[in-house]
Amino acid sequence: DQQVKQNSPSLSVQEGRISILNCDYTNSMFDYFLWYKKYPAEGPTFLISISSIKDKNEDGRFTVFLNKSAKHLSLHIVPSQPGDSAVYFCAATFYSFAGNKLTFGGGTRVLVKP
Amino acid sequence: DVKVTQSSRYLVKRTGEKVFLECVQDMDHENMFWYRQDPGLGLRLIYFSYDVKMKEKGDIPEGYSVSREKKERFSLILESASTNQTSMYLCASSFDRRGQNYGYTFGSGTRLTVV
Repeated sequence: DQQVKQNSPSLSVQEGRISILNCDYTNSMFDYFLWYKKYPAEGPTFLISISSIKDKNEDGRFTVFLNKSAKHLSLHIVPSQPGDSAVYFCAATFYSFAGNKLTFGGGTRVLVKP
Repeated sequence: DVKVTQSSRYLVKRTGEKVFLECVQDMDHENMFWYRQDPGLGLRLIYFSYDVKMKEKGDIPEGYSVSREKKERFSLILESASTNQTSMYLCASSFDRRGQNYGYTFGSGTRLTVV
């Protein structure tokens, strides 16, 4: 049973336009959410995060929105650039004394066309 | 610059072999993790450790074991490799502090092929 789902396996967007990536979760205990970016043959790198006490967090071209009632979050990339072409993973966690496990979604492959 | 280092980028092993994947971090992180990445399935947690000699099963521990004898090193062991363990294996580490960024630092991954 996937607790974190990314329903769009791929997304193609023109350079300069907005990319919107979506993520849904089912576990109400999750209180912290993250997005990671992964290039081929590299490990994922942290992109942006949001706590459940907020509904928006912005960092440069990247903005994450959280809708707790809908158990939904989204990542907006504006404007999209060719270097943004990668796989993006949504992840969620809650605090536990036994370490902070991240539960990941299946990923969305983004292609930004010049 | 903080680092998580995985000992091999590519490995080819035969069915039935015992396989060791090594991971070392230099950030004094308490937590370490092993994930595997498969197309469409994202990253799935195999095992994690929140302290030396401590280990916890993740979502898909069957066929794997782990060892953490020192804080900086976390090893993943495939007791008897099978073809369905062909995958990209990713090691990660993180701090264990409430209120801090929960983000992981990942290694570059080991692409394991079992033939």
